[in-house]
Amino acid sequence: QKEVEQNSGPLSVPEGAIASLNCTYSDRGSQSFFWYRQYSGKSPELIMSIYSNGDKEDGRFTAQLNKASQYVSLLIRDSQPSDSATYLCAVNMNNDMRFGAGTRLTVKP
Amino acid sequence: EPEVTQTPSHQVTQMGQEVILRCVPISNHLYFYWYRQILGQKVEFLVSFYNNEISEKSEIFDDQFSVERPDGSNFTLKIRSTKLEDSAMYFCASRWGTNEQFFGPGTRLTVL
Repeated sequence: QKEVEQNSGPLSVPEGAIASLNCTYSDRGSQSFFWYRQYSGKSPELIMSIYSNGDKEDGRFTAQLNKASQYVSLLIRDSQPSDSATYLCAVNMNNDMRFGAGTRLTVKP
Repeated sequence: EPEVTQTPSHQVTQMGQEVILRCVPISNHLYFYWYRQILGQKVEFLVSFYNNEISEKSEIFDDQFSVERPDGSNFTLKIRSTKLEDSAMYFCASRWGTNEQFFGPGTRLTVL
């Protein structure tokens, strides 16, 4: 069974803090990993992709990948109230993409 | 900025009826996808489509479902004989060559 696991949260952080979101996946052969943000009632919005072990930074977002541990994470620095959303981890497995259930993040002013 | 579009935004149908959900992928994209998200649940892969044929489908995508690219721009999902449990948001997505998929705004399907 191909699985992507995330802590459902909710995760609450104060404005300006670092939010840390984690994800594990079951398919050791997976090569492509994504973080999407989903506001309530809206569609998933791609914020980061990562393909190689290590860190990838884009503005306030850093994605981290460890294929040996089958683990991918997203750090959001200087969190803003507008970052409050559900963050979906997605893993490409054999030409189909599997999503985790998402972690709900609340950033409190 | 190019984007995936979907119509209608909300579709209400009676159980047993057929519905067609429509998507216009980003124009130079080659790979097309349908996903569904039941309220409060995770996004679930249904089917991927490339070069005018299905390349992958999930266990959800049974004989009740079909996809078609009837012309150079539209990509459709047909659901025959809808059931109450088909009520969900249906998202279309597309990508070019990289694996990054871009989602449309979704169609909310309500089966009564």
